This record gives sequence, structure tokens and C-alpha cells, in this order.
Amino acid sequence: SAVISQKPSRDICQRGTSLTIQCQVDSQVTMMFWYRQQPGQSLTLIATANQGSEATYESGFVIDKFPISRPNLTFSTLTVSNMSPEDSSIYLCSVDQGDYGYTFGSGTRLTVV
Amino acid sequence: GENVEQHPSTLSVQEGDSAVIKCTYSDSASNYFPWYKQELGKGPQLIIDIRSNVGEKKDQRIAVTLNKTAKHFSLHITETQPEDSAVYFCAATAGFQKLVFGTGTRLLVSP
Repeated sequence: SAVISQKPSRDICQRGTSLTIQCQVDSQVTMMFWYRQQPGQSLTLIATANQGSEATYESGFVIDKFPISRPNLTFSTLTVSNMSPEDSSIYLCSVDQGDYGYTFGSGTRLTVV
Repeated sequence: GENVEQHPSTLSVQEGDSAVIKCTYSDSASNYFPWYKQELGKGPQLIIDIRSNVGEKKDQRIAVTLNKTAKHFSLHITETQPEDSAVYFCAATAGFQKLVFGTGTRLLVSP
């Protein structure tokens, strides 16, 4: 299965600033997904990113707050903008590998102070 | 849209016992049902999955069963070991779409 590298693995940020999270896959994939996992909670999909088109956002998530780039078939970024303490979560990227299922990166643990 | 419920939220067993986690889903179009194990500080790891054309799948100590009529699927872990302690998530999807996750089960295996 694909190997996903996420950077940074963790960060502590000041409120009002922005953080860009990178997701690199070692093989080409059509669909990449960004999830948020709030402390002690399950995973919630933020958006689906396809190369060459605008990301599709889930209800409750907007592009101005979580802009996403997908410049090629192996890379994507998620930016968390104008952060507040409520944005403190683990952010995970995932790829759909067909018969191999959905693979997740190790996540970015974000703390906003 | 799809909704996945998962029970129990916590499960404590003695080493060597079996553990069962159950999930129900709402969308009859869902056809892929993975199970993930998440250890502290790590991303979810796929441990087993099942597709709607199969009723049961087994991989060593882990098995998953699917009842399409009742829209529920279960994870079975036999001969549990302390290293099985983690949070387990079920999920469902209609394929090439987003995964919808259950709320998670914290499994604690005591030596």
C-alpha cells in the first residue's frame, strides 16, 4: 500500500496565524481526503481534493478557513487559517487505493494557544 | 447521507479473552466496510476490511462479519493481547467516496 508522509507532525501556533500541512504520497492517487480528529473524538471529513479541480468541502467546512491545494497526483496541502483554540485537533490526510482500501498519514497534531 | 453507529464506546477484557465491536450503518448503497486501529499519537491503521459481496473475512486473530439485511457489521478479536489495546474505528462508504466513521471503541486488554 501507499506510504503517506505528513508534515509537520505537530505544531503549537498562536491564535490568528495560519498553518499549512503537507501530505506527500509515494504513488499517484486520484483522490486525497483531509480529515479532522478533535481530541478524543472520531474522524470528520473536511474536504476531498482531486488534482486539477477545486476541492469539495463537507458541510461545516469552508474554503476560506481550510484552503486546499492539489498541484499533482502525489501531493496536497491543507491550510488552517486564522486559527483559534477550537482548531486544536489532529489533521489527517488519506488516499483511496481501490482494492487496498483507504490509507492514512500519521497526522499533524495542532495546538493553538 | 451515511450514518455509522458504533458500540461499545469502551471495552475492557482480560488477556486471552475475545472482544467484539459492533457497528450499524444507514445507507444501503454502502459496499465497503473497513476497520481501523489507532494507537496513541498515530494515524489510523487499516486492520481488516470487508466488501458487501462477502459475509465474513478472517485474518489470523481478527475477523469481520457483515449482515447486509440488518445493515450491521462486527469486528471480532480472539485471544486478545495487551498490544491490542487501542481505539478501534469502523467506517462505511459507497465506494470512491468519503469514509464515514463510527465514534470509536477504546479497547483495554489487561494482562
